[in-house]
Amino acid sequence: ELKVEQNPLFLSMQEGKNYTIYCNYSTTSDRLYWYRQDPGKSLESLFVLLSNGAVKQEGRLMASLDTKARLSTLHITAAVHDLSATYFCAVSDSNYQLIWGAGTKLIIKP
Amino acid sequence: NAGVTQTPKFRVLKTGQSMTLLCAQDMNHEYMYWYRQDPGMGLRLIHYSVGEGTTAKGEVPDGYNVSRLKKQNFLLGLESAAPSQTSVYFCASSYFSVGTDTQYFGPGTRLTVL
Repeated sequence: ELKVEQNPLFLSMQEGKNYTIYCNYSTTSDRLYWYRQDPGKSLESLFVLLSNGAVKQEGRLMASLDTKARLSTLHITAAVHDLSATYFCAVSDSNYQLIWGAGTKLIIKP
Repeated sequence: NAGVTQTPKFRVLKTGQSMTLLCAQDMNHEYMYWYRQDPGMGLRLIHYSVGEGTTAKGEVPDGYNVSRLKKQNFLLGLESAAPSQTSVYFCASSYFSVGTDTQYFGPGTRLTVL
């Protein structure tokens, strides 16, 4: 059974700092997704990572995937307040269903 | 282009009551999904559909039924609501199967069962 763990679950940081969110999963998968959710809102797709070594970047966010380590990271560079949200990773299992992490609530203080 | 819409946005039920949540998408997507989101947890798949007239069980299907009579609509029913079904429900859709395509989410329905 595929399990997905994110850490940290909560992160409070200052604007301008860098930080990384980690997403570990327990069994082999070749697709990993990152989503963003603002409070009380729906989920918005950020990245889809399809292969080992894949790296995607959008603005101050960069996601990478290491399928051998079963690890994805979401790196935030020079954080700004607008990036405050909850970030979820989700991994495709053998039945092609998405298994979701619990989410990382990110608060960026001005 | 409205994307994925959900009706209603909020609902309060008493234990034992029934209700239907409606999801509609205008992107001509084949695949549609119902999830529930509980505090401190990731989304959990309730049921999904791979096309008009087809449905399948997800991770947590008990207590729910679904129907996909039209390609653009996916209905989630609660026949006899229980407090454990208090949650936020999200509908999503994708053109290809979940394993190969990004899902697009609706705004959610916040359901409270007293």
